[in-house]
Amino acid sequence: QQQVKQSPQSLIVQKGGISIINCAYENTAFDYFPWYQQFPGKGPALLIAIRPDVSEKKEGRFTISFNKSAKQFSLHIMDSQPGDSATYFCAASGVNDMRFGAGTRLTVKP
Amino acid sequence: NAGVMQNPRHLVRRRGQEARLRCSPMKGHSHVYWYRQLPEEGLKFMVYLQKENIIDESGMPKERFSAEFPKEGPSILRIQQVVRGDSAAYFCASSPARGGGGYTFGSGTRLTVV
Repeated sequence: QQQVKQSPQSLIVQKGGISIINCAYENTAFDYFPWYQQFPGKGPALLIAIRPDVSEKKEGRFTISFNKSAKQFSLHIMDSQPGDSATYFCAASGVNDMRFGAGTRLTVKP
Repeated sequence: NAGVMQNPRHLVRRRGQEARLRCSPMKGHSHVYWYRQLPEEGLKFMVYLQKENIIDESGMPKERFSAEFPKEGPSILRIQQVVRGDSAAYFCASSPARGGGGYTFGSGTRLTVV
C-alpha cells in the first residue's frame, strides 16, 4: 500500500524559478518528514526535514511547509538552479521505518 | 566517519545464481534498513534489522530473499536463484535509533541479472 503520495512525477522549471513538490501521507503515527535528494548513480541524501510541531522550516533556498490537519507537506526550492536538477523524495517516518514517496524528477533549465 | 558502506557497487549475476549484497552501517548506528529501487521508480522498503534481529520484513518477497545483521560484521541481503526482475539498485540505510528519521544512505549496489 502506498502510504506517502508524491506529485508531480516530473517537473521542469526555469533557472531562478520556484520548484514546488507536494506530498500527502495517511498514517497519523508518522512523526518525522524528511526530503531526500538523489543524483543519478548516487544514494539519497537528506536535504531538509520537519517534525509535525512546526508548520514551516527553512534552510537556505529550501523550505518545507507542513499542514498537519490536511496530512500534507511540500518542498519549495527558491531561485532554482541547474545544479538542483535531481530526483527528490519525500518520506514519512514512524517508530519502525521510513516510507518514501515515488519521487519527483526535477529539471532546472538554464 | 566513513558513512554507510555498501559493496559491491555493481554486481552481475546470471539467472539462477545467488547475489550477496553487503552493508556496513555508520559507526554507532545499530539499525539497518534495505530498500530496492527499480529504474525510474521510488524506494521500496524491504526490511529493517537491528543487531541479530529482524524487526520488520514486511517488504521482503516471501521467497528467495533473506537478510541478516550479525553481531559482528556487515548486514547481508541475500537473493537466491536470481531472475531478471531482480535487476535493480539496492540501497542500505542506517540510523542511530529506532524511528525518528536520521537515516543515512549508502551509495547502493546495482544488481544486473543476465
